[in-house]
Amino acid sequence: EAGVTQFPSHSVIEKGQTVTLRCDPISGHDNLYWYRRVMGKEIKFLLHFVKESKQDESGMPNNRFLAERTGGTYSTLKVQPAELEDSGVYFCASSQGDSGNYGYTFGSGTRLTVV
Amino acid sequence: QQQVKQSPQSLIVQKGGIPIINCAYENTAFDYFPWYQQFPGKGPALLIAIRPDVSEKKEGRFTISFNKSAKQFSLHIMDSQPGDSATYFCAASKVDFNKFYFGSGTKLNVKP
Repeated sequence: EAGVTQFPSHSVIEKGQTVTLRCDPISGHDNLYWYRRVMGKEIKFLLHFVKESKQDESGMPNNRFLAERTGGTYSTLKVQPAELEDSGVYFCASSQGDSGNYGYTFGSGTRLTVV
Repeated sequence: QQQVKQSPQSLIVQKGGIPIINCAYENTAFDYFPWYQQFPGKGPALLIAIRPDVSEKKEGRFTISFNKSAKQFSLHIMDSQPGDSATYFCAASKVDFNKFYFGSGTKLNVKP
């Protein structure tokens, strides 16, 4: 079974530019999550999709971040315009059902550096 | 406000030692406590998890100890090996919430 795939693995952009991160969940997983780890700190929840619907987006930092999951398959996370504090590792995870029973499968992450 | 506090930030032990990583939480509504292991260049992977109805859970060389009254839980790695060198994250959640609160991670180095 293919795992959760994220790309790019690394991205370096200038402040003010736009970046789009992509996540392909495990096939058949309705739940898709985005998390972020700023250097040395905790991994923080950003949002949760169930199929194509946003179930919880309480962790999105501000309106410069836009997440989509068209058709309930892959998801994109766009940052526009990027700021220095957006640097970090962005993780995507997916689960088959309730995460408490099934757990998450994380992707390897996208390391975003804003300079 | 950080919901789950993890310590230490880093840990070095000799092969065969028993590293212990501690976590504390605030929200008494949490009822699911997983530990994740992350190797460089990889995403976190579920290692072991516990519910608050038990005080200890063992899976192989990994043990979670849980103290509900103190709102603390810890990971013990028995007979640690160099291959256990990784970053470990504790987390907490309500089972019916699809959101985890993670600790800040502990980078473990097991020396041969």
